[in-house]
Amino acid sequence: DAGVIQSPRHEVTEMGQEVTLRCKPISGHDYLFWYRQTMMRGLELLIYFNNNVPIDDSGMPEDRFSAKMPNASFSTLKIQPSEPRDSAVYFCASSLKGAFNQPQHFGDGTRLSIL
Amino acid sequence: GDSVTQMEGPVTLSEEAFLTINCTYTATGYPSLFWYVQYPGEGLQLLLKATKADDKGSNKGFEATYRKETTSFHLEKGSVQVSDSAVYFCALPWGNNRLAFGKGNQVVVIP
Repeated sequence: DAGVIQSPRHEVTEMGQEVTLRCKPISGHDYLFWYRQTMMRGLELLIYFNNNVPIDDSGMPEDRFSAKMPNASFSTLKIQPSEPRDSAVYFCASSLKGAFNQPQHFGDGTRLSIL
Repeated sequence: GDSVTQMEGPVTLSEEAFLTINCTYTATGYPSLFWYVQYPGEGLQLLLKATKADDKGSNKGFEATYRKETTSFHLEKGSVQVSDSAVYFCALPWGNNRLAFGKGNQVVVIP
């Protein structure tokens, strides 16, 4: 079975540029999560969706960050404009619908470097 | 709120040594408990889980027992290999399918 697929795996871009990260969750999973991982702050939940609807975006650091889920098989996380402090590994994860106690399944992440 | 606490600091040990990583939790009710592993350059993978008190989760030689009395879910492996070098996260679910993660422990196994 295909797992959670993220693209690109690596992104290097200059400060001020727009960055778009993409995620395809596991088919049939109704929850989708975006995380950021850094050495300083560890793993942080940015936003999550249920049935394509954003449920909690309180972890999104600033208005420069936005996330969408136009359909059940695709989500994007956008940073505009990007800044060096946004450099991190961004993970997408998905889980089965409505079932408390279900584990999340992670993609391999996008390593983002903002110069 | 619901949370997990992992012991501080990286763990360095020799091949074939015994590994223990401590995890304690605070929760209302009795959620499932998880251990995730993150190998270098990869995402987190579910290593094992336990769904109720006294359950033992096991996978790849790792074990963890859900202890309600001590609110703990310590991870153990009797004989580690170099390939077990990774970061290990304890986690529990809360809210609407969210997971509360511990800070993670870097494990380095030396040949």
